[in-house]
Amino acid sequence: DAGVIQSPRHEVTEMGQEVTLRCKPISGHDYLFWYRQTMMRGLELLIYFNNNVPIDDSGMPEDRFSAKMPNASFSTLKIQPSEPRDSAVYFCASSLIAGGVEQFFGPGTRLTVL
Amino acid sequence: KQEVTQIPAALSVPEGENLVLNCSFTDSAIYNLQWFRQDPGKGLTSLLLIQSSQREQTSGRLNASLDKSSGRSTLYIAASQPGDSATYLCAVLNAGNNRKLIWGLGTSLAVNP
Repeated sequence: DAGVIQSPRHEVTEMGQEVTLRCKPISGHDYLFWYRQTMMRGLELLIYFNNNVPIDDSGMPEDRFSAKMPNASFSTLKIQPSEPRDSAVYFCASSLIAGGVEQFFGPGTRLTVL
Repeated sequence: KQEVTQIPAALSVPEGENLVLNCSFTDSAIYNLQWFRQDPGKGLTSLLLIQSSQREQTSGRLNASLDKSSGRSTLYIAASQPGDSATYLCAVLNAGNNRKLIWGLGTSLAVNP
C-alpha cells in the first residue's frame, strides 16, 4: 500500500485566496483525521470522519475551514478565505479502527499564507 | 481537560548513549498512549502503543513504559544512533472520549556521531 497520500506537499498563497488540501487514506481504513501542526500549539485535531461521516469537528477553528469526505478514498480540507495565521503543516491520517490501534499519517502539506 | 507535557523539549547526546524521554498527562483516565517519531518535513510514524492495562511495550531498542496512576510515560532508547535523531511525540487517547488524540509538543532529539 502507498500509505496516506496528501497533495499538494507545499502551498504558498496570498491572503484571501481559497486553499484546498487533499487526502487519500489507506484503502480499507474506516477513520480519517485532519490535523494542523504549528510550533506554538503542536498538533491539533481539526476534524475526523468515520465511514465518510464527520464525527467531531470541534477542532475546526472557524467557519472559514470546511472538510468533506465524498467517498472512502478521498477527503478535502478547504480554507476560504485564507489568512496568514493559517500557515501551518496540515496532516491527514487514517486508521482501520479508531481506538487501540495506530493512526497512519501522510507526509503533510506545508501551507504558507502571505 | 487533558494536557500532555513532554520534557525535555530538546536533547542532544553523543552516539551510543542510553536515553529517556518523558511524557506526563494530567488525567489518568486514558484508553491508550502512543509514541510517535517525526522526521523533518515528514509525517509521523507510530513507534509504540501502550494500552491502559499494560505497563510497557518494547520494539527493538525502544521501550515505552506507562504508569497510569501517576500520569507518566517514558520512552527509553538504548544505544542511541545518529539515525535516531528526530522529534518524538507522545499522545494519549482519553477513555470514554470519541477518538481524539491529545498531543504533547514533542522532544527534539539530536544524536551526534
